[in-house]
Amino acid sequence: KNQVEQSPQSLIILEGKNCTLQCNYTVSPFSNLRWYKQDTGRGPVSLTIMTFSENTKSNGRYTATLDADTKQSSLHITASQLSDSASYICVVSADSNYQLIWGAGTKLIIKP
Amino acid sequence: NAGVMQNPRHLVRRRGQEARLRCSPMKGHSHVYWYRQLPEEGLKFMVYLQKENIIDESGMPKERFSAEFPKEGPSILRIQQVVRGDSAAYFCASSHVAQRGGQNEQFFGPGTRLTVL
Repeated sequence: KNQVEQSPQSLIILEGKNCTLQCNYTVSPFSNLRWYKQDTGRGPVSLTIMTFSENTKSNGRYTATLDADTKQSSLHITASQLSDSASYICVVSADSNYQLIWGAGTKLIIKP
Repeated sequence: NAGVMQNPRHLVRRRGQEARLRCSPMKGHSHVYWYRQLPEEGLKFMVYLQKENIIDESGMPKERFSAEFPKEGPSILRIQQVVRGDSAAYFCASSHVAQRGGQNEQFFGPGTRLTVL
């Protein structure tokens, strides 16, 4: 069964600190992995998209990694800001269909 | 260049009524996807449509739910005889080309929050 699991479920850190969010998946055949940011009450916004051959991809203070062998990904946020408070969702695309498999997300709270 | 538009943003219905959710894709996009998100859960795929065609409706309940994307006008997600369990946020996304297996970006609307009393 295609699944995406994320940890931790929620995380609270102080402004300026770094953090790393984890994603494990069992989606086959794998096509690509995406990280989305979803602010409360709004639609998801794409941060990164990585294919099988990509190990790391950055978007400003966000850096995503992918290990296709262990089927794990991480999202590292550097020098967190209050505006980083949101849910971060790992999404995996299978090559065989139109569906994206969504994780439940990690709720990140940045405190001043 | 407006993004994906959804309306209404909030919709309240009583059990047994009908809910109609509208989605206008980004300009130039002909692929529309509907998702449902329950509180504290991830998004669940419902249906993928192109203009006048349903491509994949494997995530949509077989009864009471229907979707369309006419040649002119917005895509409509219709829920008949709503029940309390239909209360959720419904998101629409659009893309320029087909999503299948590719890296093509899906752009999301702000969602419609349906509350069934």
